Amino acid sequence: TQLLEQSPQFLSIQEGENLTVYCNSSSVFSSLQWYRQEPGEGPVLLVTVVTGGEVKKLKRLTFQFGDARKDSSLHITAAQPGDTGLYLCAGALATGTSYGKLTFGQGTILTVHP
Amino acid sequence: EAQVTQNPRYLITVTGKKLTVTCSQNMNHEYMSWYRQDPGLGLRQIYYSMNVEVTDKGDVPEGYKVSRKEKRNFPLILESPSPNQTSLYFCASSLWAPQTSNQPQHFGDGTRLSIL
Repeated sequence: TQLLEQSPQFLSIQEGENLTVYCNSSSVFSSLQWYRQEPGEGPVLLVTVVTGGEVKKLKRLTFQFGDARKDSSLHITAAQPGDTGLYLCAGALATGTSYGKLTFGQGTILTVHP
Repeated sequence: EAQVTQNPRYLITVTGKKLTVTCSQNMNHEYMSWYRQDPGLGLRQIYYSMNVEVTDKGDVPEGYKVSRKEKRNFPLILESPSPNQTSLYFCASSLWAPQTSNQPQHFGDGTRLSIL
């Protein structure tokens, strides 16, 4: 069982459509990060959310952290082919025994067709 | 240029032959960690290190060893590799632990290991 459940695992859409990726857990996180990964490269940070209820925007990408800091979402408006890639959420647990651990979701492979 | 460097990028080897994957960062980061990436499972943390001489197990440490004798280096050691360790491995670093506010992980480009 994954500590962080990310969905959907695959998303294939047409250019111009909107989409949302979800990251859910029963655990509380001190922060949650979203990364994007291209083939042959390591993940690159998109955003970090820290406060419950926080919303951050990065151009056409909107990130939200749940009020209870157990879940997060990534919404892309008017997707473009350049958005194609693997999107990963990662959470740092708030509990003391897990200090230092970083847990990733399974990832969402997004394909945007022209 | 600030970076995390992993070597080798690709390695094909046989069961039982000890191997080491090196990781070096030039950003004076305190925190370093190793992950393996497998299809459908995302990245799973193998080991992490909060500081020199301080290492802790992640979620999948079995079959792996690490050491942190210097701040910049964090090698991953497979003493007796087995086929189930065939995977894509990433090293990452950040200034402090992820629980500290706003600590982006800087990743290397990955090492693809095939154990036959």
